[in-house]
Amino acid sequence: DTGVSQDPRHKITKRGQNVTFRCDPISEHNRLYWYRQTLGQGPEFLTYFQNEAQLEKSRLLSDRFSAERPKGSFSTLEIQRTEQGDSAMYLCASSLVGDSNNEQFFGPGTRLTVL
Amino acid sequence: GENVEQHPSTLSVQEGDSAVIKCTYSDSASNYFPWYKQELGKRPQLIIDIRSNVGEKKDQRIAVTLNKTAKHFSLHITETQPEDSAVYFCAARRPRDDKIIFGKGTRLHILP
Repeated sequence: DTGVSQDPRHKITKRGQNVTFRCDPISEHNRLYWYRQTLGQGPEFLTYFQNEAQLEKSRLLSDRFSAERPKGSFSTLEIQRTEQGDSAMYLCASSLVGDSNNEQFFGPGTRLTVL
Repeated sequence: GENVEQHPSTLSVQEGDSAVIKCTYSDSASNYFPWYKQELGKRPQLIIDIRSNVGEKKDQRIAVTLNKTAKHFSLHITETQPEDSAVYFCAARRPRDDKIIFGKGTRLHILP
């Protein structure tokens, strides 16, 4: 499968615990985006990387959230001291700048449930 | 700030009839408008898109229109089929960073 992959697909955790999600973009895609989608809403932008550089962070991304893309390939999103309000689907997308439409391809998402 | 408004939030149409979803955007720098279909528990899938230098685009039963002056764009699905039932998101993307702002979605029900 050469699409965007995310791991894990589902995560259930207790409030206060730390969680880390991984995204593997399509090979050679230089941009990687993280979005959060809550029930009944559209995806909301969290942050994005061009290669290994994190270029923008949404106000939605509190200090408890951190994202990395150390080698410009896979990315991790960590949430510290999780809260019930963090329960959502976390979507990753990647794109190749300079491609015909710079289309973003979405991964299957990681569904986080905080008890 | 950046915002995309989408209406209606829920839409029910008889199989074979047409469905129309309307959106407005606020960021005049947006130049690309994708539409996504999302089935329950699955990732958003791009179904059609339109660039700001084009007023209309059609792909089989799906068409999109764009009024850049009014910052309105719409999705039209003709001859609807049961498999069209899903949540549809409009979105606007700005060229600076390709950041996508999504609407809140329209849940489309195709009635038998």
